[in-house]
Order: sequence, then C-alpha cells, then structure tokens
Amino acid sequence: EIVLTQSPGTLSLSPGERATLSCRASQSVSTSYLAWYRQRPGQAPRLLIYGASSRASGIPDRFSGSGSGTDFTLTISRLEPEDFAVYYCQQYGSSFTFGPGTKVDIK
Amino acid sequence: QVQLQESGPGLVKPSETLSLTCTVSGDSISISPYYWGWIRQPPGKGLEWIGSVYYSGWTSYNSSLKSRVTISVDTSKNQFSLKVSSVTAADTAVYYCARVSYGAKRWLDPWGQGTLVTVSS
Repeated sequence: EIVLTQSPGTLSLSPGERATLSCRASQSVSTSYLAWYRQRPGQAPRLLIYGASSRASGIPDRFSGSGSGTDFTLTISRLEPEDFAVYYCQQYGSSFTFGPGTKVDIK
Repeated sequence: QVQLQESGPGLVKPSETLSLTCTVSGDSISISPYYWGWIRQPPGKGLEWIGSVYYSGWTSYNSSLKSRVTISVDTSKNQFSLKVSSVTAADTAVYYCARVSYGAKRWLDPWGQGTLVTVSS
C-alpha cells in the first residue's frame, strides 16, 4: 500500500501570503491519480485539484498543483480567509489513501 | 448539481451493526458513469477510505475493513448504503459518502456533509 506523507504538519501564514504544501508518496504515484482536498472546520472535504494539476470545477486560480513520481505540491498563491483549513492529498493505487493533512492557520 | 446526504443512527452499541444510507440527488445512480463511495474520519483525525459500489452492484473495499463492511445500492431509491458489523469504539467517526471517479483521473467529488456515528453502550 502506498503511504502518503504531508509536510509541514502546520503552516502559519497571514492572509495574502503564499502557501506551499508538500505531499510525498512511499512509491511512485500516477499523476492521474493524485488529488488535493480542502477541509474547513466542521465541513466535508472539497476537491480542489485532480490529476495532480487540474483545478476542479469552481476552484479559483489561486490554487495550483504540480509534481510527479513521489513528490507533489499544492500552492495557494494568495491566502484568502476561507483558505485557513486542513489540506489532504489523496492517491489511488489499488485503493484510495489519504495523507495525514497539513493545517494552514492564521499567523 | 449533484448532492449527497447521509442518514442513519448517530449512536450504535458495541458489537452491533452500523447502518447508514446516502441519498443522491441531481444524478441518477443507475445511469451515471460514476461509482459511489464511503469515507470516514475519526474525531480530530484524518480520512480513511471504506469502499465503493457501482450501480450494477460491483463493490470494492478497503482491505483493512473488508471483513466487516458491506456496501450496497438501491437504484429505485437512488441510494446506496453502508453496513459495518461488530463495531467497537474505534469505529466512532464522521461518515461521509461521495461520488467516485474511477476513470482516467481518480477523485472523490462531491461529498455529503457527513454524519457522526458514536459507538457506545
């Protein structure tokens, strides 16, 4: 089973700043099968990025994804108040698995 | 716009069976190319994939839960369901249902709002 590791565990930033979140896999992951989600407190996760770099419907262009192989990155160019949340990466090997999450909180 | 809504008991006794239903609106399970899945999240923790079902009844399960989990579909009601048997406190979690893409790209979207199930006597 592919294990995903996310870093940092917590990222403390101010509104308007740039956020860079990392997701590392224990073995190579198809870019087609790598996705990112945002989960606000008390809410369900929301798909942001699929196929490593494609934005989901309705997701603003401040969100971008990149990477291949075992290293993937989610970048938020300018943090808005609603972006302070937990972010999960997800991969599909023989099953779906998720990373442990990165919390982006207000500095 | 596709929407999913979980329903079921919020409290289940240890050793009993947890049963939840997800009602889909805005898409027809029986003609959709998508699959339908369950994910859970223990309080304060991360996400765990449970499994999925296709309208035909084909299922796929997380190997760590497979012996206790059954996912089924009722196309006449546009619903799919989850059963987890022999529950313990470790099964206490928010349970989410979601639409699943097993196509060229693999993702889960949208998700239901989630329902908290507590296992306690």
